[in-house]
Amino acid sequence: GAVVSQHPSWVICKSGTSVKIECRSLDFQATTMFWYRQFPKQSLMLMATSNEGSKATYEQGVEKDKFLINHASLTLSTLTVTSAHPEDSSFYICSARSDRGPTEAFFGQGTRLTVV
Amino acid sequence: QKEVEQDPGPLSVPEGAIVSLNCTYSNSAFQYFMWYRQYSRKGPELLMYTYSSGNKEDGRFTAQVDKSSKYISLFIRDSQPSDSATYLCAAIKAAGNKLTFGGGTRVLVKP
Repeated sequence: GAVVSQHPSWVICKSGTSVKIECRSLDFQATTMFWYRQFPKQSLMLMATSNEGSKATYEQGVEKDKFLINHASLTLSTLTVTSAHPEDSSFYICSARSDRGPTEAFFGQGTRLTVV
Repeated sequence: QKEVEQDPGPLSVPEGAIVSLNCTYSNSAFQYFMWYRQYSRKGPELLMYTYSSGNKEDGRFTAQVDKSSKYISLFIRDSQPSDSATYLCAAIKAAGNKLTFGGGTRVLVKP
């Protein structure tokens, strides 16, 4: 399958600081990227969907000013957690999809964020 | 009610046994059904997908979809300890944009 690289794989930050997570599609152009959050022993919760060059569409209950998403190119999307708090600690996963079909979605390795 | 339901497990089987996983869904518009494997602290990995009803086989893995009963299954033959992971089913509409995931089933294959 296609490769999606997510960086960093883990990060620890202090409360009040901002953290940026990158998601890159390495061998295909991702027309759509998705950002998920996953709590321990739970499934993936979709946070937002972004298309290259346009604003992200956030799911209900997700604060767009707190979770800033930028999809500036067909191979890169970033998620910035602003003014992080301990309750933002979680596993964040991106997914990139090409325009070849709804099943052509591939996931990054995930980023474990710990806010102290 | 969630659109895709999945028993969380854990499901523990001895090595070599058949692992049987299933999900139910409620949205008739779903056309594609996927199975992902997720190891601890990693992103999900697509195992296989099925379009509409039918069976699909890939090595030790067989996926089945029965749209009449809105039931999807994954069977893993000759299970190995390396198959120990969380398995997530997912569904999407034909022209859909977003995957809808089940809650995931944790599988433990004991040597």
